[in-house]
Amino acid sequence: NFMLTQPHSVSESPGKTVTISCTRSSGSIASNYVQWYQQRPGSAPTTVIYEDNQRPSGVPDRFSGSIDSSSNSASLTISGLKTEDEADYYCQSYDSSNQAVFGGGTKLTVL
Amino acid sequence: EVQLVESGGGLVKPGGSLRLSCAASGFTFSSYSMNWVRQAPGKGLEWVSSISSSSSYIYYADSVKGRFTISRDNAKNSLYLQMNSLRAEDTAVYYCARGPHYYLPWGQGTLVTVSS
Repeated sequence: NFMLTQPHSVSESPGKTVTISCTRSSGSIASNYVQWYQQRPGSAPTTVIYEDNQRPSGVPDRFSGSIDSSSNSASLTISGLKTEDEADYYCQSYDSSNQAVFGGGTKLTVL
Repeated sequence: EVQLVESGGGLVKPGGSLRLSCAASGFTFSSYSMNWVRQAPGKGLEWVSSISSSSSYIYYADSVKGRFTISRDNAKNSLYLQMNSLRAEDTAVYYCARGPHYYLPWGQGTLVTVSS
């Protein structure tokens, strides 16, 4: 199986842009779709990006996703940061046995 | 509105059993794979189990294989997780989520505490 590695924490100021990375340990990042979930304190996770770069209805276009085969990683970019974006963010993919794999999560601080 | 509502969590002693339920509404339940994901206190998300729309395909994380059983009743729009031989490390909030490969939406979660 493979692992997804995320930075433990990132911080940025309101109005700025932040990028959170998710690196796959083995196998190609492009071989299975990557999703991103937002979890605010005390709340259930919500989906902000699915299938690498698709936004569910209701998610603002300030959120975008991409993959980079050269670094074997996926990225979540949030532009025009707002204080309400402060949350934990998890990337997720799945293996050849259809078992989901989650990254360890990144705490985003907007200060 | 697409909605998932979990129930059945609570306090149980090590070695005990618990059955979680997830009631689905607002979509054609029988057309979707469903999943259980858990989160231990202060920790990240951990996939637990998945079941295909017709129950033909079932998968478990190694950490729960042989102890947990996922099932569904499409007539009742409900998903279940039977948890046996519970351990302290199974303490977590358990979320159900609609699949197959990405989770959308998630339920609000139900807390399972395994402690003597």
